[in-house]
Amino acid sequence: QKEVEQNSGPLSVPEGAIASLNCTYSDRVSQSFFWYRQYSGKSPELIMSIYSNGDKEDGRFTAQLNKASQYVSLLIRDSQPSDSATYLCAVNVKGQGAQKLVFGQGTRLTINP
Amino acid sequence: ETGVTQSPTHLIKTRGQQVTLRCSSQSGHNTVSWYQQALGQGPQFIFQYYREEENGRGNFPPRFSGLQFPNYSSELNVNALELDDSALYLCASSLGGRDGSPLHFGNGTRLTVT
Repeated sequence: QKEVEQNSGPLSVPEGAIASLNCTYSDRVSQSFFWYRQYSGKSPELIMSIYSNGDKEDGRFTAQLNKASQYVSLLIRDSQPSDSATYLCAVNVKGQGAQKLVFGQGTRLTINP
Repeated sequence: ETGVTQSPTHLIKTRGQQVTLRCSSQSGHNTVSWYQQALGQGPQFIFQYYREEENGRGNFPPRFSGLQFPNYSSELNVNALELDDSALYLCASSLGGRDGSPLHFGNGTRLTVT
């Protein structure tokens, strides 16, 4: 089992709809979870971080965390063509060092006008 | 506040050669992490440096090595390049000791090995 798993997609969503991205992780003691957006040929950009069970909203983005189910999700409301990108789920894994992120392989999202 | 900067942006090397990639950390950050991202994959942790010492390493062979300098900038060195080393190499800085703080990446170095 991979440490962080995402559906690679592609996920296609019409403009204005809600895009839902999902991620599961295997390390039960992980405490920090992140969503990154990566445009083609660019580096990942942090868009959301979540540390507690429940929902966290930031503009059109909502991150959801369920530690009991080891599940993290990202909702994008009112999807725009500019949201078309690969979304990477990242989980902080305890071990050596102050910060080691384990990434999923990413979900490619396409917003259709 | 200056973000993370990496150089060069692109690099083409031949199999068997050696390469050095550079990273300047964000002001105030004392920890640097390096990741390798192959095409279509998520970034993979290579290693991390904290106050000039290696502070964690992923599943990469010893030909991947690094340095961190007193100003917290860092280098990633790869010896005996292989075709599979072709990837985007990402550097991120953070404030060590703050477990859970997010990582902010530089723009990356695209390495192509032919």
